[in-house]
Amino acid sequence: DVKVTQSSRYLVKRTGEKVFLECVQDMDHENMFWYRQDPGLGLRLIYFSYDVKMKEKGDIPEGYSVSREKKERFSLILESASTNQTSMYLCASVNGRREYQETQYFGPGTRLLVL
Amino acid sequence: KQEVTQIPAALSVPEGENLVLNCSFTDSAIYNLQWFRQDPGKGLTSLLLIQSSQREQTSGRLNASLDKSSGRSTLYIAASQPGDSATYLCAVRDNDMRFGAGTRLTVKP
Repeated sequence: DVKVTQSSRYLVKRTGEKVFLECVQDMDHENMFWYRQDPGLGLRLIYFSYDVKMKEKGDIPEGYSVSREKKERFSLILESASTNQTSMYLCASVNGRREYQETQYFGPGTRLLVL
Repeated sequence: KQEVTQIPAALSVPEGENLVLNCSFTDSAIYNLQWFRQDPGKGLTSLLLIQSSQREQTSGRLNASLDKSSGRSTLYIAASQPGDSATYLCAVRDNDMRFGAGTRLTVKP
């Protein structure tokens, strides 16, 4: 079974802090994604990566950056956290060679509260 | 840009009832459509994936249909149980993956 893990389930940070969210998958997937989920808005794509050291902006990249130094790990960085970044953050991965045929596998999510 | 809509936003039914969740999308040029389940405070679990060439998929008490030409999909849950209570999301895959906002289902004992 594919396993996608996220470093924290809950985080509380203060405005202006630098925040790191880590995601690790164990199925050698090429493609990894970061989403945020807010009530009534569904999931929105922040950034994604098709390979090590590669990154692409999603729909809402402002205020975020990412890092992919190893294939299994995809990090989301909030350079200076703001209250409007309070949200549920979900990481996902998929086999890059079959991304149009297979489902994305999701981690358990990190609920971030910025005070 | 693809838009995905799920109606209703919330649904409450008594245990044992059969029910249908709806999903509509605006652009029929899709690779697949998926239904996910999300329990409170948790990640998404894939339930069913329908490729664009397929009309339906079944898993246990779940049946999902796809009508690309009309931009609609339904998730049918037979003989609902309290353990089915969760939020159900549909997602369509074109060049991106687009999610609906979900239907929050409550099955009362």
